[in-house]
Amino acid sequence: GNSVTQMEGPVTLSEEAFLTINCTYTATGYPSLFWYVQYPGEGLQLLLKATKADDKGSNKGFEATYRKETTSFHLEKGSVQVSDSAVYFCALFTGGGNKLTFGTGTQLKVEL
Amino acid sequence: NAGVTQTPKFRILKIGQSMTLQCAQDMNHNYMYWYRQDPGMGLKLIYYSVGAGITDKGEVPNGYNVSRSTTEDFPLRLELAAPSQTSVYFCATSGSGSRNEQFFGPGTRLTVL
Repeated sequence: GNSVTQMEGPVTLSEEAFLTINCTYTATGYPSLFWYVQYPGEGLQLLLKATKADDKGSNKGFEATYRKETTSFHLEKGSVQVSDSAVYFCALFTGGGNKLTFGTGTQLKVEL
Repeated sequence: NAGVTQTPKFRILKIGQSMTLQCAQDMNHNYMYWYRQDPGMGLKLIYYSVGAGITDKGEVPNGYNVSRSTTEDFPLRLELAAPSQTSVYFCATSGSGSRNEQFFGPGTRLTVL
């Protein structure tokens, strides 16, 4: 079956630090990959996505590259802000059953 | 446009009580989903629907029921609430043309005591 593994949190960084949140996946076929973000007290929002190997998704300074050879989709940002504090979920979609498979989420805390 | 709305925002139930969590969308999306989010466990799919009149089970359907009589509404029914159903519940939708991009409501926090 499909599965997504994320690094455990919480991740605590100082403002302007570099961020990496690791995500690896197991899937049949050729999945699309996503990062969703959940701000405190809110629902999830799509942050970025990539639909095929070597695609790079980007949004709000965040980037992730779909690496088929390592089955990974790591999230990066060059300089985090306090407003980036949230929980980040990696997810995949293979089309069968119209369902997303989510990782367990990684909490990011950014301090001044 | 309101997007995806959920009511109530918070609810406390006693063991054995029943309730319905409401979800409505004005995005004209065919696909709708119910998830539960437990601490450190990510999101688990409870039920989903590919259109009015069609529903199907997800990973954790036991103790829940759904119906989809209209495109806009997808209520989740809890019968005989149990403490194990204490969780945050999210409704989500997606369109036929972009089934993989889901739009989430703000969630309902349910506590069963």
